[in-house]
This record gives sequence, structure tokens and C-alpha cells, in this order.
Amino acid sequence: QVQLVESGGGVVQPGRSLRLSCAASGLTFGSYVMHWVRQAPGKGLQWVATISYDGGNEDYIDSVKGRFSISRDNSENMVYLQMNSLRSDDTAMYYCAGYDFWSGFRDSWGPGTLVTVSS
Amino acid sequence: SYELTQPSSVSVSPGQTARIACTGTILANRYARWLQQKPGQAPVLLIHRDNERPSGIPDRFSASSSGTTATLTISGVHLEDEADYYCYSSADNGLSLGAGTKLTVL
Repeated sequence: QVQLVESGGGVVQPGRSLRLSCAASGLTFGSYVMHWVRQAPGKGLQWVATISYDGGNEDYIDSVKGRFSISRDNSENMVYLQMNSLRSDDTAMYYCAGYDFWSGFRDSWGPGTLVTVSS
Repeated sequence: SYELTQPSSVSVSPGQTARIACTGTILANRYARWLQQKPGQAPVLLIHRDNERPSGIPDRFSASSSGTTATLTISGVHLEDEADYYCYSSADNGLSLGAGTKLTVL
């Protein structure tokens, strides 16, 4: 059974850092393009960052460029989101999601981890 | 990333058919996916590869895609289908997401 499980969320002060993790199982992780998607309270889903299946390419929404960094460890079936210089508008539930690059589908989503940026 | 456009809300009576359209140029070249999200819960994948249901998704949920438009159809709507529905697709530089459609079952 394919499973993505996020961890690392919590309450953090503005300007501080947090690292989210996503553990994958039940899939050929090295073939999966991985994303982080967030949802602010009462708002819709917002794509945040993507990393290619081999880690060679990364993309970010403009509002997090220079502050957030996505990475992956294919030997451990893990994807990470390093979040620096956090702001109050980064407060959201963060979801890990991915799809198989070679087939173009076989999507999976995690249950999310909550990040609250507050003083 | 590219944008996908979907209606902000759709209303339907129980037992009727609900249709939610999603339009965007990226859909001409990439698979459409659909998510269901109920209040306080994580999104659930309803449809991938334009019209395929993952295991466990009821067959009253179906979808189609043609050109730049994808359509989610819920046949014989149940009260518990009241939720937000999002379309999305992969893009060369990330994910393209719709803003979501709130389905109200009257």
C-alpha cells in the first residue's frame, strides 16, 4: 500500500526555521516526482515546491524562493522541506504529494503536518 | 505554474448528478486529477490519469477529459459527497491546481 507520511510541523516564531519530512513507502520512490502543497486556514490548496525524481531539478512558488528548499534522499525514501525565515503567512497545513514520473500518474498524498508561525 | 479554472460552487439535490468542469491549457497535454476534501480532513485522490479511480473510490465518481477541459461527474449524489473538489495536473515546473469547487448537497 502506497503511503506518504509527513512530520516536523509545529509552532515556530517568525523568522525562525523548521524542517518538514515526508516518509514514503509502498512505491518506487526513485521514480516519483515529489511536491509540497500547503493550505492556509480556510483557504484552498497552494503548490509550494517540487523536486524531480532524481533530485536534479527543483521549482518553487515565488513567495518561498530563497527561503524554502526541497530535497530528497532516494536511499531512505524521504523528501524534505527546509523552511527558513518563516512568516505568519506561511502558517498552513503542509501536504506531501507525488506521482510516478514514467507513467505520468499513480499519485499519492499524505495526511499533512501543521505549521503555525506565531510569536 | 499554469492555472486551472473551476467554478467556485455547485449545488445539487441528493440523487441528482453533479458535474464540475476544470479548464486549462495544460490539460491538453497532461493528465487531469481530482481531489475531494471534506472539512478538517486531508485531500483524497478521487481520479487520476484523467478518468481512473484509485481502489476504494465509489463508482458514482467518474471523469472525462477532452482538449483543455476536464469534467468530474458525481452520479446519484449522496449527502456525504458535500465537500470541496480540486482539479490539478502536473506541470513542467511544479503543479497546477484549481482553486476548488464547493459542492453543496441541498
